[in-house]
Amino acid sequence: DADVTQTPRNRITKTGKRIMLECSQTKGHDRMYWYRQDPGLGLRLIYYSFDVKDINKGEISDGYSVSRQAQAKFSLSLESAIPNQTALYFCATTSGSYPYEQYFGPGTRLTVT
Amino acid sequence: SQQGEEDPQALSIQEGENATMNCSYKTSINNLQWYRQNSGRGLVHLILIRSNEREKHSGRLRVTLDTSKKSSSLLITASRAADTASYFCATVNNNDMRFGAGTRLTVKP
Repeated sequence: DADVTQTPRNRITKTGKRIMLECSQTKGHDRMYWYRQDPGLGLRLIYYSFDVKDINKGEISDGYSVSRQAQAKFSLSLESAIPNQTALYFCATTSGSYPYEQYFGPGTRLTVT
Repeated sequence: SQQGEEDPQALSIQEGENATMNCSYKTSINNLQWYRQNSGRGLVHLILIRSNEREKHSGRLRVTLDTSKKSSSLLITASRAADTASYFCATVNNNDMRFGAGTRLTVKP
């Protein structure tokens, strides 16, 4: 089974709709992240959480919110989706200690029409 | 904003050839990591090099780091068609990890 799972894998929604992307991990790590990937721009950090009570904004948090429901669960919400939020979204987790590698989910392809 | 910048943006080689990708960055780092991404999928960690290391090997991968030039390179030797993917460098400074835009590698059989 995958260490990090994301649901849904694909989603098409309309402008103004609220949408939630969910992430679960079985690595037992405290740290979880949400990234957005656009063609040619690599990954950009939206939000990150070092534990259930710790939520931090990344470089592109406007228009997004998150919830850390448990150590293993970290969800990303778009309160009112807009077309320029069309992208590939990735969740990741890391232990926060050496070797610091991040484990990524398979991604959610979101299209906002 | 991105920290690392990969060069070239795209690389096409024949199977069996070596592939070299470069990453330049701007600020100090604790470590630098390379990831691979197959089309539309999540990134997979390949190798990590600490700021006090100059070279690391893992199978057909060789990573170098020059902190004075703020640059790193990833060499894939004896490439295979299955190496076709995008490769990203990621710099880590304390708790901050930043990814570059990636190099798209195509290995022709």
